This record gives sequence, structure tokens and C-alpha cells, in this order.
Amino acid sequence: AQSVAQPEDQVNVAEGNPLTVKCTYSVSGNPYLFWYVQYPNRGLQFLLKYITGDNLVKGSYGFEAEFNKSQTSFHLKKPSALVSDSALYFCAVRDAYGQAGTALIFGKGTTLSVSS
Amino acid sequence: DGGITQSPKYLFRKEGQNVTLSCEQNLNHDAMYWYRQDPGQGLRLIYYSQIVNDFQKGDIAEGYSVSREKKESFPLTVTSAQKNPTAFYLCASSILGGSTYNEQFFGPGTRLTVL
Repeated sequence: AQSVAQPEDQVNVAEGNPLTVKCTYSVSGNPYLFWYVQYPNRGLQFLLKYITGDNLVKGSYGFEAEFNKSQTSFHLKKPSALVSDSALYFCAVRDAYGQAGTALIFGKGTTLSVSS
Repeated sequence: DGGITQSPKYLFRKEGQNVTLSCEQNLNHDAMYWYRQDPGQGLRLIYYSQIVNDFQKGDIAEGYSVSREKKESFPLTVTSAQKNPTAFYLCASSILGGSTYNEQFFGPGTRLTVL
């Protein structure tokens, strides 16, 4: 069964420090991977995606993610965190041969808290 | 949130009532989705539709119903059979086809509370 795991419920970093939000996946075929961000009482905003190609994907707001096939991971990173990055982050996957058509499977989310 | 509207923003339901959540998109997307979000559980798929007049159940379809009579609209009805409907409901849409997979765009959400 396809699944996504975000092992940390919360990540705390100081402003200006690098941040990493972890994600691992399990799919039967080639993975299509996504990161989204959600601010309180709002919808999700797309950050970046990995379909194929370079393992380092650059996205919105200075975020990037590294795809690692051998470790089945897709960690979200940013070199220098901002207080405004504080939000709920979701990793999602779509299996190319998934049962749910084009729908995404989401992780449970990681709350990022950046302190000033 | 641009391009997808959900209404109302807040909805209160009495026990035994059916309520309908609206979702409209002007992005000309083929596919539309409904997710339910509960604290600490991420998003779970309720229903999805890839074409007008066709839709498929997701992981938690029991107690919910949908229709897709127009490409732009995908309303969700929460029926009295849904035992615990209090949650944040998110609608999304995406393009289908092409050589790469396209991301989903989300609406602002509807928060449903059972009184």
C-alpha cells in the first residue's frame, strides 16, 4: 500500500538557521512527490514537486527538497529559516499506478516553529 | 487559494441534518477532490472526480455524497449518516494528462461544526 510518513510532529528552529522537515514514502511504482504548506484556517499552498530528473528540487519561498530513492525519502529544506515560515507542512505522494486515480496520499503533517 | 472558492467558510449543523458544501473552480481543471482534515491526521480523501458525471470513492466516503454535473462545480453533501462530521473540509482541483503530473490547487476550506 502506498503511504507517506512524516516522523516529526513538530520541528523547532531559530531564525537564520537551516531547517529540515522529514518525509519518507512507500509506493509500488515510481513516486510523484509533493510538499505543501498550510497557514492556520487556510487551504494548502503548493511548494514544490518531484516527478523525475534532478534529485534536488527547488520550489517557492526559498524551499528545496532532496529526493533519495535508496532511502525512499523526500526531505524539505531551507538554508535560512524565517519566522514567517512557521506553519504546518505536508508531504504527499502519488503512485503512478495508484488505486486512487490522481488523488494524493498525505502525511500527517509537521508543524514548523521558527523562533526569533 | 486563487481560482477555487469554497462556501460557506463556517458551517454549523444540527444532529440529523444534511448539509452541502460548495466548491467551484475557474481554472478549467478536469479533476476535483474533497479531503477531510482532522488535527494530527493529515488530509484524507473523501471523493474525487476526473470527469463530469463521474466520481469515485476515496478512503472515507461513508456518510458523504457528491455530484459533478458541471466541470466547474463539485459539491459535497455531509449526510446524517456521517457519525463524526466536525472537521475542516478542503476542495482541490488539478489538470489531468500531459507528460508530467500536475499539482493540486486547494480552496480556502470550510469548517463544519456539529452542534
